[in-house]
Amino acid sequence: NAGVTQTPKFQVLKTGQSMTLQCAQDMNHNSMYWYRQDPGMGLRLIYYSASEGTTDKGEVPNGYNVSRLNKREFSLRLESAAPSQTSVYFCASSEEIGGTYNSPLHFGNGTRLTVT
Amino acid sequence: GDSVTQMEGPVTLSEEAFLTINCTYTATGYPSLFWYVQYPGEGLQLLLKATKADDKGSNKGFEATYRKETTSFHLEKGSVQVSDSAVYFCGYGGATNKLIFGTGTLLAVQP
Repeated sequence: NAGVTQTPKFQVLKTGQSMTLQCAQDMNHNSMYWYRQDPGMGLRLIYYSASEGTTDKGEVPNGYNVSRLNKREFSLRLESAAPSQTSVYFCASSEEIGGTYNSPLHFGNGTRLTVT
Repeated sequence: GDSVTQMEGPVTLSEEAFLTINCTYTATGYPSLFWYVQYPGEGLQLLLKATKADDKGSNKGFEATYRKETTSFHLEKGSVQVSDSAVYFCGYGGATNKLIFGTGTLLAVQP
């Protein structure tokens, strides 16, 4: 019963390097999300995908790109990492968009990224 | 704009104490309301939810009532345990196409 799986768990990058965070869910959910968690800021939405084939910007999309590869997978790419992107990144999925009553979010365990 | 405000932590309690974590929101329409919990090293998990005014969500001894008149969804538990130590997030979702979270409240329960 895997749920939402994120890889890697930890990553250290130098400024300017690129990387892709991977996320896969096995619940046949339509919607997927990427959040970042920073102290005192809570969770902020970076990008989301309401359904396979669509992606939309959230609150803090600058510096990131996403790909909804298929219904299961939603990746987040940092093209040129910056120290301001040091954070914990969470992928989540839900049956329907919006986190409605009948469709709460299911989260992965996070990726802790440090950019030096 | 839409937002969620919850009390700042950390909240430090002794085992068996009463817990209240305040949460208020501003939103258009009548959103669904949630409390999520994050245990150390893990992602968030849904704790409880409510969809309309006066609904009470409950789970694992925690309760929260959707108060439309005060736009609040305060989390309560009558007797906390050490195992309840975690970060608690209030949130709402619905027509905005995204779930909005508060900044989280760290609860530390001491034996």
